Amino acid sequence: KAGVTQTPRYLIKTRGQQVTLSCSPISGHRSVSWYQQTPGQGLQFLFEYFSETQRNKGNFPGRFSGRQFSNSRSEMNVSTLELGDSALYLCASTTGEVTNEQFFGPGTRLTVL
Amino acid sequence: DAKTTQPNSMESNEEEPVHLPCNHSTISGTDYIHWYRQLPSQGPEYVIHGLTSNVNNRMASLAIAEDRKSSTLILHRATLRDAAVYYCILRDGSSNSGYALNFGKGTSLLVTP
Repeated sequence: KAGVTQTPRYLIKTRGQQVTLSCSPISGHRSVSWYQQTPGQGLQFLFEYFSETQRNKGNFPGRFSGRQFSNSRSEMNVSTLELGDSALYLCASTTGEVTNEQFFGPGTRLTVL
Repeated sequence: DAKTTQPNSMESNEEEPVHLPCNHSTISGTDYIHWYRQLPSQGPEYVIHGLTSNVNNRMASLAIAEDRKSSTLILHRATLRDAAVYYCILRDGSSNSGYALNFGKGTSLLVTP
């Protein structure tokens, strides 16, 4: 079974631009979560989608948004990029049962110049 | 979610057992104890989880105190590949509000030959 895949793996953008990151979950997984990892703040939860609906949201500004498609693939979008948005963005999928483990992708490294 | 406290770092010799502690004094009756680890340059990976009883799997063992206010992740024979940041996370098993992991700072495990 293929793991969680994320594209692109690396991205360089400039301040003020917007970016879209993509995540393909493990087949059969209906829940997709997004996390931001920075050296200063560590791993922080962004949001979770389940059956195309946002089910949970972390404490991030509205510039961060996401969506999930009917095939469970998910995208996250960051508008009006700031230097502080430079981070590793991780996607994780799970079946949707609350106690089940999450499977993480390799992440997308975003650099904002 | 309830808070966990872990040491910032620990060191172990290769092929020796490692006991990684986690305190969670405000744990509720429905909180599951999850452990994840993050190897360098990779996304986090699930290690083990439990509710009240001790748990074993191919990667590790989880020992849970009788009052559930602390737990210990046990790596029976540390290898160099086990050098990673280990996260102890509480997850409310009764919640229908979605799946979001609060990673905290974790314990950075150094394994020396």
